Amino acid sequence: KQEVTQIPAALSVPEGENLVLNCSFTDSAIYNLQWFRQDPGKGLTSLLLIQSSQREQTSGRLNASLDKSSGRSTLYIAASQPGDSATYLCAAYMDTGRRALTFGSGTRLQVQP
Amino acid sequence: EAGVAQSPRYKIIEKRQSVAFWCNPISGHATLYWYQQILGQGPKLLIQFQNNGVVDDSQLPKDRFSAERLKGVDSTLKIQPAKLEDSAVYLCASSSTLAFEQFFGPGTRLTVL
Repeated sequence: KQEVTQIPAALSVPEGENLVLNCSFTDSAIYNLQWFRQDPGKGLTSLLLIQSSQREQTSGRLNASLDKSSGRSTLYIAASQPGDSATYLCAAYMDTGRRALTFGSGTRLQVQP
Repeated sequence: EAGVAQSPRYKIIEKRQSVAFWCNPISGHATLYWYQQILGQGPKLLIQFQNNGVVDDSQLPKDRFSAERLKGVDSTLKIQPAKLEDSAVYLCASSSTLAFEQFFGPGTRLTVL
């Protein structure tokens, strides 16, 4: 059974810092990995989807990497802003047929102005 | 393109009462998912539909939860009778047949007193 872990559970940084959020998974036979953002009381917004054949994806100040052999993914946020404050969730797709996601518990990020 | 719609956004009920949630996926998306997100945790899949059919309902508490997808479009999730531990956000997501990426609705926050 796939388990997804995110460390740390919470993180507070000053504005302008570069930061890395970590995600690890127990079953390296994942198909894709997706990073989401969740604002309080809101649904999930997709940030980046890394397909199994890729090692990383970039969107603006965000860069996500995937290392299936070590069971790890990282989300890099450059030049953090107070508007980046949210909970960040990573989730793994396990097989093509089922397609459902297994989520980590998230990292709650607070960027101080 | 309209996103995933859910209603109601909030619901407060007494334990042992029944409640129903509604979801309208993105137009043309064949796959629909219901997730349960308990406070402080990542979403957990309850049920996955492909068109009208159920792909996975292994984590759905079938003694009290039921779900249906009408004509392969809208879906309803019902809880009867509700328990205190059902307090959570219920998220609906959809994806197309060709792509893995899931798109989430704003969720329904259920409080059981």
